[in-house]
Amino acid sequence: ETGVTQTPRHLVMGMTNKKSLKCEQHLGHNAMYWYKQSAKKPLELMFVYSLEERVENNSVPSRFSPECPNSSHLFLHLHTLQPEDSALYLCASSRGLAGGGRTDTQYFGPGTRLTVL
Amino acid sequence: DQQVKQNSPSLSVQEGRISILNCDYTNSMFDYFLWYKKYPAEGPTFLISISSIKDKNEDGRFTVFLNKSAKHLSLHIVPSQPGDSAVYFCAASNTGNQFYFGTGTSLTVIP
Repeated sequence: ETGVTQTPRHLVMGMTNKKSLKCEQHLGHNAMYWYKQSAKKPLELMFVYSLEERVENNSVPSRFSPECPNSSHLFLHLHTLQPEDSALYLCASSRGLAGGGRTDTQYFGPGTRLTVL
Repeated sequence: DQQVKQNSPSLSVQEGRISILNCDYTNSMFDYFLWYKKYPAEGPTFLISISSIKDKNEDGRFTVFLNKSAKHLSLHIVPSQPGDSAVYFCAASNTGNQFYFGTGTSLTVIP
């Protein structure tokens, strides 16, 4: 399988549940990202990882907990979510992080459609 | 406050004609701009990009124009095809790790 894959594609969970979203990239990239897309809002960056180290966390509530065990895998652990957390969660990867005048294009997975009841 | 705006939520164009999608930004430090295309039930796919040192970049039927003084970029698709029907997002970066995305424009190409 090639590109960026995400599982599950759809998830319905109650506010007291604990679940995890999984992302895997087969592109040999070193940087991975989690984005949230709510209805009629732009994509919001949540977390950035480079070589398994978190380099950016955009003030995301602690009920979202990322994990990057290696450069090919990224998880988003969810617990005690709120209904307003219902959204499309997109994973992306890039060759590396931007720097030195270079910005690397991000390649996205298909997303996980999350509904919190 | 949104730094990247796509003010037209939707656009309909006849097949064979030109589609022009517009994007405005507020941060003059942005130096790299991209367009992504998204089909339903799929993630955004990279379409074309432009660096702030250029004012035009062309790739087949797709051309992106950048007007730095107006803080405006546009995507031209010529000729438009029904398979181009999708949501188009513009994004901007200031050579950092964060891309700022617009809310998207839904393009419908009518056969």
